[in-house]
Amino acid sequence: GENVEQHPSTLSVQEGDSAVIKCTYSDSASNYFPWYKQELGKRPQLIIDIRSNVGEKKDQRIAVTLNKTAKHFSLHITETQPEDSAVYFCAANCNTGANSKLTFGKGITLSVRP
Amino acid sequence: GAGVSQSPSNKVTEKGKDVELRCDPISGHTALYWYRQSLGQGLEFLIYFQGNSAPDKSGLPSDRFSAERTGGSVSTLTIQRTQQEDSAVYLCASSLAGGGGLGTFGSGTRLTVV
Repeated sequence: GENVEQHPSTLSVQEGDSAVIKCTYSDSASNYFPWYKQELGKRPQLIIDIRSNVGEKKDQRIAVTLNKTAKHFSLHITETQPEDSAVYFCAANCNTGANSKLTFGKGITLSVRP
Repeated sequence: GAGVSQSPSNKVTEKGKDVELRCDPISGHTALYWYRQSLGQGLEFLIYFQGNSAPDKSGLPSDRFSAERTGGSVSTLTIQRTQQEDSAVYLCASSLAGGGGLGTFGSGTRLTVV
């Protein structure tokens, strides 16, 4: 099955700097890669996603890039703000037929220092 | 409803008792997922329902865990003879279709087995 890994487990940046969070996946058939943000005590929220037919997607201060050859994808946050502090989960799945089970990474805790 | 609704929000139970957790998905969402999140950990897949198809139960950790989805809407996750290691936040999510991953998470049920 799919295996998704996130490294490192924690990341600390200065407010205003950029943050890059990386994930790797194992199943070359995976074709959908969402990112979720989970603030303390709250539910995970989808913040951006990418499909395997594109290499990059942007939405204001966040972007996601995908390298299918290397089987890794990254979340980029520019001009970080304290409210970006949260746990970020990446996930991958193979969107074929009825099987859309997402496999999540263990999460990265991002701390933005004011 | 406006979002995915889960009940109860918190449940404390004695070891060995059975518990039922409820998920009410967004109206019209055909796909429903249960995930489990232990303290400080990632999201562990439990079970996935898509329309009238047989559910994907591959994530259920033992035969003490079972889930039903009645009428293609409300789902109940049942844990029999609870153990302390079952303590976690149980999250439900739903989406419009099976493809493309998750849409929206509920706020979860925090289960504590004492």
